[in-house]
Amino acid sequence: EAGVTQFPSHSVIEKGQTVTLRCDPISGHDNLYWYRRVMGKEIKFLLHFVKESKQDESGMPNNRFLAERTGGTYSTLKVQPAELEDSGVYFCASSQDALVDTQYFGPGTRLTVL
Amino acid sequence: EDQVTQSPEALRLQEGESSSLNCSYTVSGLRGLFWYRQDPGKGPEFLFTLYSAGEEKEKERLKATLTKKESFLHITAPKPEDSATYLCAVQKYGNKLVFGAGTILRVKS
Repeated sequence: EAGVTQFPSHSVIEKGQTVTLRCDPISGHDNLYWYRRVMGKEIKFLLHFVKESKQDESGMPNNRFLAERTGGTYSTLKVQPAELEDSGVYFCASSQDALVDTQYFGPGTRLTVL
Repeated sequence: EDQVTQSPEALRLQEGESSSLNCSYTVSGLRGLFWYRQDPGKGPEFLFTLYSAGEEKEKERLKATLTKKESFLHITAPKPEDSATYLCAVQKYGNKLVFGAGTILRVKS
């Protein structure tokens, strides 16, 4: 069974540009989560989808971040316009059942904003 | 405020030298506590879930235990391949995970 996949693995962009990250969850997993780790800090929650609906977006830092999950399958996270402090590693995770179920993580996308 | 604290920040062991990692937490509405292993350049890899105080789980050289305020990850006779960052995370009602900063473990042969 394929795990959570993320694309791209690395992205280097200039401040002010736009970047879109993609996550493909494990097949059949209705729950999809985005997290990020900025330099020297712990991994922090961004948002949670149940199928195509946003269940919790309390961790989204500001309105420059837009997450979508059309059709309840893959998800995208767009940062527009990117700022220096957006640099970090963005992880996606998925789980089958939101009630105390294991979240399986992807390899992450390392974003560098210059 | 919810807080997850891991100690030590880093740990160096000789191969075969057993030790324990600590995860203490102050979280309201705890649903479960998770341990993950993370290798450089990779995402967190699931190890264990603990749901209630007194619960214990084992996998190879690793054993995780849970009390009302902390969890321990015991490593028995570690090998160099156990070197990684070990992450503790608590799941609250609402499902998001709150992570600690991790413990970097290095096992030398």
